[in-house]
Amino acid sequence: GEDVEQSLFLSVREGDSSVINCTYTDSSSTYLYWYKQEPGAGLQLLTYIFSNMDMKQDQRLTVLLNKKDKHLSLRIADTQTGDSAIYFCAEGGPGGYNKLIFGAGTRLAVHP
Amino acid sequence: DVKVTQSSRYLVKRTGEKVFLECVQDMDHENMFWYRQDPGLGLRLIYFSYDVKMKEKGDIPEGYSVSREKKERFSLILESASTNQTSMYLCASSFGGSPNGYTFGSGTRLTVV
Repeated sequence: GEDVEQSLFLSVREGDSSVINCTYTDSSSTYLYWYKQEPGAGLQLLTYIFSNMDMKQDQRLTVLLNKKDKHLSLRIADTQTGDSAIYFCAEGGPGGYNKLIFGAGTRLAVHP
Repeated sequence: DVKVTQSSRYLVKRTGEKVFLECVQDMDHENMFWYRQDPGLGLRLIYFSYDVKMKEKGDIPEGYSVSREKKERFSLILESASTNQTSMYLCASSFGGSPNGYTFGSGTRLTVV
C-alpha cells in the first residue's frame, strides 16, 4: 500500500540550515505537503508542492521534489529555536488530495 | 480566521466508558477526518467523511465509530474505552477540489484509566 517514510530525529545548530527528507511510494500523488506541529498543538500547513514542479521556495523554506526517486525534502534556512517542532511529510493518496497519507514525523531540535 | 475546533484539549475517562470527541469546522468543508497520533507511529486515519451522513473506515477503525449529522460537525465515538485507546486525537477538514490540504484542530489528549 501507500507509504511515506521519514527519519525520526534531526538536530541542528541555531543559524545553520536544516534539511528534512521524505520518501513516498504513490507515484500518482498530485500534491505533496509539509506540516509543522509545535508541542501540544495540531498540525499547521507549512507549504505544498504540485507534483509537476521540482522546487518551491517560500521565504526561509525550500521544497525540492525528485519525482523519479519519489523523494521530497524541506530545507529551512537560518534555523531558529522557534523552528523546533515535529515536521510531517504527506502525499495526496488515493482519491487525490482529499485523503492524505502522512509520514511518522521528524522531530527537529535546534540548539544554540 | 478559519477554524477547526475540538471540544476538549484533555480528557480522562475510565475503561468501559462511552466517549464522545467532538469536532466542529466553520469553513463549509465537505471532508472531515479523525486521526490518532502516537509517538513513532505518526498519524493514523481512523474514519473520514466526504459528506453529511456519509462515513468511510480508515486504517484503524476498530473500537471506534463516527457520526456526521451536520456538515460542520464530525464526532468520534469510543464505544467502550480501553487503555490502548489512550492517545492524541486530531480532527481535520478539507475542501474538496482544493490543493490546500487539511486544516487541523488543536487535538484532544485522551487518557483512559
